[in-house]
Amino acid sequence: KQEVTQIPAALSVPEGENLVLNCSFTDSAIYNLQWFRQDPGKGLTSLLLIQSSQREQTSGRLNASLDKSSGRSTLYIAASQPGDSATYLCAVRPLYSGGGADGLTFGKGTHLIIQP
Amino acid sequence: DTEVTQTPKHLVMGMTNKKSLKCEQHMGHRAMYWYKQKAKKPPELMFVYSYEKLSINESVPSRFSPECPNSSLLNLHLHALQPEDSALYLCASSQDGGNEQFFGPGTRLTVL
Repeated sequence: KQEVTQIPAALSVPEGENLVLNCSFTDSAIYNLQWFRQDPGKGLTSLLLIQSSQREQTSGRLNASLDKSSGRSTLYIAASQPGDSATYLCAVRPLYSGGGADGLTFGKGTHLIIQP
Repeated sequence: DTEVTQTPKHLVMGMTNKKSLKCEQHMGHRAMYWYKQKAKKPPELMFVYSYEKLSINESVPSRFSPECPNSSLLNLHLHALQPEDSALYLCASSQDGGNEQFFGPGTRLTVL
């Protein structure tokens, strides 16, 4: 059974710092990996999707990398801002054969606080 | 239209009530999902619909009954729930099974 772990569980840094969030997964047979942010009591906002054949994806100040063979992904946030404060979730989608869809397996998230 | 909508935003129900959660998307996505998220926990998959057919049921109790009336709509019918079923229920969709999943804002359910 796939297990996804995120480190650290919580992080508090001053505004302007660059930071790295880590995600690891036990089964490297994944179709893709997706990073989300979740504000308290809200739904999930998709940040980046990395297909299993890709090494990284970038969107604005965010960069996500994927090393499928070692079961690791990182989310790099540049020049952090107070508005970046949220919980960041990593999720993997398993490989499947045949038709149909499959759900995501999530890590427990990193709770990020950016201090003004 | 690039969003998933869910109604209601909040729902309070008794253990003998019957209620339904609704999810809608107009992005032409053919896969739709229900997840359950307890407080301070990650979302957990409940059901997956692919091309309007139920493809995955993660051993969810029968008091939860999903329905996909058409390619844009997904319902979750609730009956005889327990207080431990109180959670945030999230709907998601994707173009097909392998693409990026987009989530709705969720329905906050409280069972008394």
